[in-house]
Amino acid sequence: EAGVTQFPSHSVIEKGQTVTLRCDPISGHDNLYWYRRVMGKEIKFLLHFVKESKQDESGMPNNRFLAERTGGTYSTLKVQPAELEDSGVYFCASSQLPTISAGELFFGEGSRLTVL
Amino acid sequence: GQQVMQIPQYQHVQEGEDFTTYCNSSTTLSNIQWYKQRPGGHPVFLIQLVKSGEVKKQKRLTFQFGEAKKNSSLHITATQTTDVGTYFCAGPGAGNMLTFGGGTRLMVKP
Repeated sequence: EAGVTQFPSHSVIEKGQTVTLRCDPISGHDNLYWYRRVMGKEIKFLLHFVKESKQDESGMPNNRFLAERTGGTYSTLKVQPAELEDSGVYFCASSQLPTISAGELFFGEGSRLTVL
Repeated sequence: GQQVMQIPQYQHVQEGEDFTTYCNSSTTLSNIQWYKQRPGGHPVFLIQLVKSGEVKKQKRLTFQFGEAKKNSSLHITATQTTDVGTYFCAGPGAGNMLTFGGGTRLMVKP
């Protein structure tokens, strides 16, 4: 069974440019999460989809970040325009279980974003 | 809001020595989860603890959940170079998401 896949694995862009990250969750997983780890610090929650609906986007830093999950399959996270502080590793995770208290998340390999 | 703290931030040990990382939450947790991230890798689920005072073992790893369900620890006996990585604890936050601690980065000298 394929795991959570993310693309690209690494992106280097100039400040002010746009980047779109993609996540393909494990097939059949309705719950999809985006997390971010900046400068080796804690892994911070960005948002949570249940199928195509945004369940919780309280962690999104500002309106330069836009996440979508059309059709409830893969998800994209767009940063426009990118700022230096957006650099970090963006992790996608999926879960089959309806609540986070019931089990584990399966993480993708992450997309490392470097904004110059 | 909920905060999850981990100490130490870094730990260097000689291979064969023991290692412990501690996790503290500002709020009572319904459960706590532990993840391991190898250098350059992604977090991988290790275990979930649910009951007050629970202790679980996985080979050389021992996980404990405090009686008050606000703290937890991970102890590794006789570390090996394969144990290198960052260990994160995580607890359920508001809504349906996990709040992660800052992680403890373990480095093992052969």
